[in-house]
Formats: sequence, structure tokens, C-alpha cells
Amino acid sequence: DGGITQSPKYLFRKEGQNVTLSCEQNLNHDAMYWYRQDPGQGLRLIYYSQIVNDFQKGDIAEGYSVSREKKESFPLTVTSAQKNPTAFYLCASKRPVKSGGYTFGSGTRLTVV
Amino acid sequence: GQQVMQIPQYQHVQEGEDFTTYCNSSTTLSNIQWYKQRPGGHPVFLIQLVKSGEVKKQKRLTFQFGEAKKNSSLHITATQTTDVGTYFCAADSNYQLIWGAGTKLIIKP
Repeated sequence: DGGITQSPKYLFRKEGQNVTLSCEQNLNHDAMYWYRQDPGQGLRLIYYSQIVNDFQKGDIAEGYSVSREKKESFPLTVTSAQKNPTAFYLCASKRPVKSGGYTFGSGTRLTVV
Repeated sequence: GQQVMQIPQYQHVQEGEDFTTYCNSSTTLSNIQWYKQRPGGHPVFLIQLVKSGEVKKQKRLTFQFGEAKKNSSLHITATQTTDVGTYFCAADSNYQLIWGAGTKLIIKP
């Protein structure tokens, strides 16, 4: 079955470290997104990519970086510049217009230790 | 920028009671989407409404899109424990989704 795979499920980071969250999809979707969710809160957009080799900042891009070298992959790097990185990170892709909606991965929970 | 306001933030119901969440925008929306997020889980797409005045049903769930395409609602009839979670509305805008804050459905013990 097609879907989005995020890894790892849980990640612990020491202060000052960069970490990279993986997001892979086999849905053949063009557009991919990264969201951050804090406990009890809604979703905030970090970065999005409409097509390979192109991406745009979302509302809270500071301290994060992405790449989109392949259609299937959209990794997110949480840099040491992100002062409060502990959160639930969700990767999503946009379904075809006729179907509507976004498909989400199961998420990565990042904790700074 | 465009915003979607969603209320209430929480709703406590007895099992078997109904549940409703509402989304409103000051501007016309191209569509409205609804998602469910179970505790500890990820958002799951439920439905998309596109047409003015559209009503769609999925078993005990009824989704409505207002005539002016500025508001929407999700109504669950006779809630069950499997309905527990947070329900989000979202609207497409400039290659992004604008998200409501979500309504958490809590079943009273």
C-alpha cells in the first residue's frame, strides 16, 4: 500500500546538535509539507515543496532546513539554531485535486535532552 | 492573512450524545477539508467539500459547507468511544492549508 514513512518515530537530541528527520512517500505526489505540532496545539507549517528542487518557507522556518532532491523524499533538518525543538513533527503530501486532502506520515517525536 | 476560526476548543459529551464543531472564515474559501487526529496519532483526512451549500454524510458524521463558502460544520450523531480525538478543519490557500485550531472531543466516563 502507498503511504508516507517517517523515521525515526522517537528522536532524542542534545542541545547544540543538528538532527535530520526522514520523510519518504511512494504515492507519486508532487507537493510535500512539514508541520510542527506542540502538545495540545494545532499544526504549524515549517516548509513545503511543490516540486523537486524547489521549496518554500512556511510560517515557522527559522532554525530548520529542507531539501527536495527526489520526488519521494523530503528530509527536514532541525538545526542548533532552533531554540525550542521539542515537538511532534509531521510530514504530509498533497493528494490529487480530484481526491482532495493531504496524507500524513505517522510523525516523529523529537525531544531535546 | 487568511484565517479559519474553529470552535469550541473542547467538547465533553456523554457517550451517545451528539457533537458539533464549527469553522468560520471572514473570506470565501475555495474548499474546506476535515481531519481527525486520535490521541498520540497523526491527522487523517476525512472529507473535502467544494460546492456552496454542500452536505456530505459518512455514517454518523455529517459535513456541511455554507452557502457563502465561509463556514462549515461537522456533526457526529450518537458519539462512540471510537470518536474520541481532535477534529480539525482546513482550507486550501496559496499552495498551503490554513488550519483551524481543532476541537477536542472528550467522552465523559
